[in-house]
Amino acid sequence: KQEVTQIPAALSVPEGENLVLNCSFTDSAIYNLQWFRQDPGKGLTSLLLIQSSQREQTSGRLNASLDKSSGRSTLYIAASQPGDSATYLCAVMGWGGSEKLVFGKGMKLTVKP
Amino acid sequence: SAVISQKPSRDICQRGTSLTIQCQVDSQVTMMFWYRQQPGQSLTLIATANQGSEATYESGFVIDKFPISRPNLTFSTLTVSNMSPEDSSIYLCSVTGLAVDTQYFGPGTRLTVL
Repeated sequence: KQEVTQIPAALSVPEGENLVLNCSFTDSAIYNLQWFRQDPGKGLTSLLLIQSSQREQTSGRLNASLDKSSGRSTLYIAASQPGDSATYLCAVMGWGGSEKLVFGKGMKLTVKP
Repeated sequence: SAVISQKPSRDICQRGTSLTIQCQVDSQVTMMFWYRQQPGQSLTLIATANQGSEATYESGFVIDKFPISRPNLTFSTLTVSNMSPEDSSIYLCSVTGLAVDTQYFGPGTRLTVL
């Protein structure tokens, strides 16, 4: 059974820092991995999707890497801003065509001005 | 991308009652899913809503407690039956887009059971 872990559960940093968010998963047979952002009282917004054949994806100040063999992914946020404050969730999709996602518990990020 | 709306956005309910949550998508989609997010926990898949047939439930979730309807390719409902305080959660609907590996989520329904 796939399990996804995100450590730490929360992080508070001053504005401007470069951040690394970690995600690990137990079963390396994944179809893809996604990073989401969740703002309080709102749904999930997809940030980056990495296919199993890819090593990384970039969007603006965000860069996500995937090391399938070690069961790890990192989300790098450059020059953090207070607007980046949110909960970041990592999720993996397994093979089999069901498109089900298995989520980590998320990491609550606070960027202080 | 798909635009998803959910109704209600939040509700406070009494123990023993039932609540039906609606999920509406602005385009036809193949796969629709219902997730639960309990306080401090990760999102957990409840079931896959299948159009024209019974939903497929994940381990630990049963149809009597969480009946689901999917009358067409743009709409689904999830009912939380005979509620208890343990059902207090955010319930989210999601769909897959034209690229089947991309998932879009609704804004969620925040349910509090007293």
